[in-house]
Amino acid sequence: RKEVEQDPGPFNVPEGATVAFNCTYSNSASQSFFWYRQDCRKEPKLLMSVYSSGNEDGRFTAQLNRASQYISLLIRDSKLSDSATYLCVVNGTSGTYKYIFGTGTRLKVLA
Amino acid sequence: ETGVTQSPTHLIKTRGQQVTLRCSSQSGHNTVSWYQQALGQGPQFIFQYYREEENGRGNFPPRFSGLQFPNYSSELNVNALELDDSALYLCASSLGDREVWTEAFFGQGTRLTVV
Repeated sequence: RKEVEQDPGPFNVPEGATVAFNCTYSNSASQSFFWYRQDCRKEPKLLMSVYSSGNEDGRFTAQLNRASQYISLLIRDSKLSDSATYLCVVNGTSGTYKYIFGTGTRLKVLA
Repeated sequence: ETGVTQSPTHLIKTRGQQVTLRCSSQSGHNTVSWYQQALGQGPQFIFQYYREEENGRGNFPPRFSGLQFPNYSSELNVNALELDDSALYLCASSLGDREVWTEAFFGQGTRLTVV
């Protein structure tokens, strides 16, 4: 079983749609959680950190369920510019700030 | 811009050769991590350097080695290149104290092609 699992997609959605991505992780001792965005052939860029209380940044909402070891990202009112790969990231080992990435979920927003 | 820079941006090498990739960390950051991203995959952790010492290593063979310098910049060296080493190599910079770290910021990557 992979340490971080994501549905690779692709998710093809029309502009204005709401889309949700899910991610599960295997290490219950994981401490930090993030969503990164990666455009084609570019580096990953931090989209948002994920907290147990849930957090929102404009059209983006992230949720963490520690009991189910599950992370989600909701994008409302999708824009063409949201087309990218969304990487679920977990850091679970104290003493080493090691990121464990999922394979990423591809999103294509269609006009 | 993250302030993390990598060089070169692209590189083509022949199987069996050696390569050195470089990373300048963001100002104020003391930790550099290296990742390998194969096509269609998420980045895989190679190793991390914290205050000039290796501080964790992923499942990569010893021919992958690294250094961190007093200014916290870093190098990744790969010996005896294999075709499967073709990938995007990412450097991530963060600030930590062995217990808590800030979020990591990535450089633009070095795309290595082994032929």
